[in-house]
Amino acid sequence: GQNIDQPTEMTATEGAIVQINCTYQTSGFNGLFWYQQHAGEAPTFLSYNVLDGLEEKGRFSSFLSRSKGYSYLLLKELQMKDSASYLCAVYTGGFKTIFGAGTRLFVKA
Amino acid sequence: KAGVTQTPRYLIKTRGQQVTLSCSPISGHRSVSWYQQTPGQGLQFLFEYFSETQRNKGNFPGRFSGRQFSNSRSEMNVSTLELGDSALYLCASSLSPGQGDRSQYFGPGTRLTVT
Repeated sequence: GQNIDQPTEMTATEGAIVQINCTYQTSGFNGLFWYQQHAGEAPTFLSYNVLDGLEEKGRFSSFLSRSKGYSYLLLKELQMKDSASYLCAVYTGGFKTIFGAGTRLFVKA
Repeated sequence: KAGVTQTPRYLIKTRGQQVTLSCSPISGHRSVSWYQQTPGQGLQFLFEYFSETQRNKGNFPGRFSGRQFSNSRSEMNVSTLELGDSALYLCASSLSPGQGDRSQYFGPGTRLTVT
């Protein structure tokens, strides 16, 4: 079966750091995506991890452990504009990407 | 470079009707994937096309179909609409998920409401 789990909602304070976790059990695994989606807008690409470890891209970092079926997205120096849904998705191979339900992040002043 | 475009942006249809949605990928992108997004289910994979061939299909009934043209533009069709088909339909383009850059770039979506 295909299963991707993320917390439904998280709240954090402006300027803080937040970690959004994602666990997955899929029939195949070629890589893991993180997307950001603001309300009423299309998802935008944040990162794609294929190998284990941490990849940093500005204020955003993404971590992958393939053996544990686990990833997280780390957002530093939170800004109000980071309030959005964050989608974890697994590229299973066979030209198919499976998405988690998403984590709604609320950033408060 | 222009982004992914989808038309129409909003659509209201009645149960039993059929609908066709269109997606134009980023220039040079040959892979187009379609997703259905609903509040309860999140993003659900519908199908993926590359060079006019459907390479994979999600778990949706046969009422959902699609095609891709030689210029990589894609259409999806839903026949005999049901209330549960009300959703945001998103199209995403990429160079080709099978190799190289696997980033998918999403269009703004078509909001379909079935009454």
